Amino acid sequence: SQKIEQNSEALNIQEGKTATLTCNYTNYSPAYLQWYRQDPGRGPVFLLLIRENEKEKRKERLKVTFDTTLKQSLFHITASQPADSATYLCARPFNDYKLSFGAGTTVTVRA
Amino acid sequence: DTAVSQTPKYLVTQMGNDKSIKCEQNLGHDTMYWYKQDSKKFLKIMFSYNNKELIINETVPNRFSPKSPDKAHLNLHINSLELGDSAVYFCASSQDKFAESSYNEQFFGPGTRLTVL
Repeated sequence: SQKIEQNSEALNIQEGKTATLTCNYTNYSPAYLQWYRQDPGRGPVFLLLIRENEKEKRKERLKVTFDTTLKQSLFHITASQPADSATYLCARPFNDYKLSFGAGTTVTVRA
Repeated sequence: DTAVSQTPKYLVTQMGNDKSIKCEQNLGHDTMYWYKQDSKKFLKIMFSYNNKELIINETVPNRFSPKSPDKAHLNLHINSLELGDSAVYFCASSQDKFAESSYNEQFFGPGTRLTVL
């Protein structure tokens, strides 16, 4: 099965620092990886998609990398703010029609 | 304007009852999904419809029956509710049905928290 794992359930970080989240996958490299943000009591919101042939993607203070050798994607939040506190999910194509989601990493940014 | 909406937001009911959750999207997408998120926060796909046609039917008890009256709506009916059905159910939509398409970004509804007593 095309597993996807986020190796940290929780990450506590001081405001202003960079948070780095890890997403590991098994078997073949997917065509892309997606990252979502989920706030308590809400549905996930799409943030970024990085394709297999892209090493890095940026959106404002977010940066995502894709390493097909390590079978890993890193998600960075630079200059973190308390408003960045949320659960972040990665997802990969699972078969023709499905996405497989990781369990998420809950980030708490302390002021 | 809400892109993907679900009703109700909360549903508390007794074991054995039958209940429905409704979902509507106004994004013009062809593909809609039902996901279940359990207490461990795993999002698991249950069903997917593309243009009213069922394309994903995961190993879900047949007490769960989706219905898509048109491509903007996907409802979920649950018969004979059990304690283990308690979870948050999310409806989602995407432009494209193919998982490897760059247009498979999922737009999620706000969720329905189902509690079975």
